Amino acid sequence: KNEVEQSPQNLTAQEGEFITINCSYSVGISALHWLQQHPGGGIVSLFMLSSGKKKHGRLIATINIQEKHSSLHITASHPRDSAVYICAVRGRGNEKLTFGTGTRLTIIP
Amino acid sequence: NAGVTQTPKFQVLKTGQSMTLQCAQDMNHNSMYWYRQDPGMGLRLIYYSASEGTTDKGEVPNGYNVSRLNKREFSLRLESAAPSQTSVYFCASSEVRAVETQYFGPGTRLLVL
Repeated sequence: KNEVEQSPQNLTAQEGEFITINCSYSVGISALHWLQQHPGGGIVSLFMLSSGKKKHGRLIATINIQEKHSSLHITASHPRDSAVYICAVRGRGNEKLTFGTGTRLTIIP
Repeated sequence: NAGVTQTPKFQVLKTGQSMTLQCAQDMNHNSMYWYRQDPGMGLRLIYYSASEGTTDKGEVPNGYNVSRLNKREFSLRLESAAPSQTSVYFCASSEVRAVETQYFGPGTRLLVL
């Protein structure tokens, strides 16, 4: 079983829909990262969080440490949000990240 | 600032050939990382360097060597390429270890025939 599981693997939605991508992990962590991989391959860090909730524009990330679960939400989705979204966790006492396999999001105009 | 740069962008090798992937960052970061990305798998850490002069193995170090030439540069060498090393390679850097945001290079696509 992978340490980091994402769901769904693929998601197609209409422009304007509210999007939720989920990440579950099996180990105690000190931080969780959400990253975006563009269709061209570039990877950008979106959020790093260890508790609660963070918001940046139309993106919101939440984490529940007790349930070992995080969600990434996109409000008013747009075709330019089409990308692969990757969850990664840093274990306690560990300076390395463990990555999920990503969720491929496609927003149709 | 260019951020994290990688060269080359694309490379084709024959089995047994060697090559070095170059990575440089201009953000004065202490930590640098090499990852590989394969279809259906998450990014996997090959090697990392917590600071200039230090390197440590990651999850999949076999077949690779690294050099932290100075604070800016971290190179990845394949001494004898194998088809299993066909992958996309990403270099990343962060201020201090993985607790901080990591900044990624554009990637190098490597095909080993």
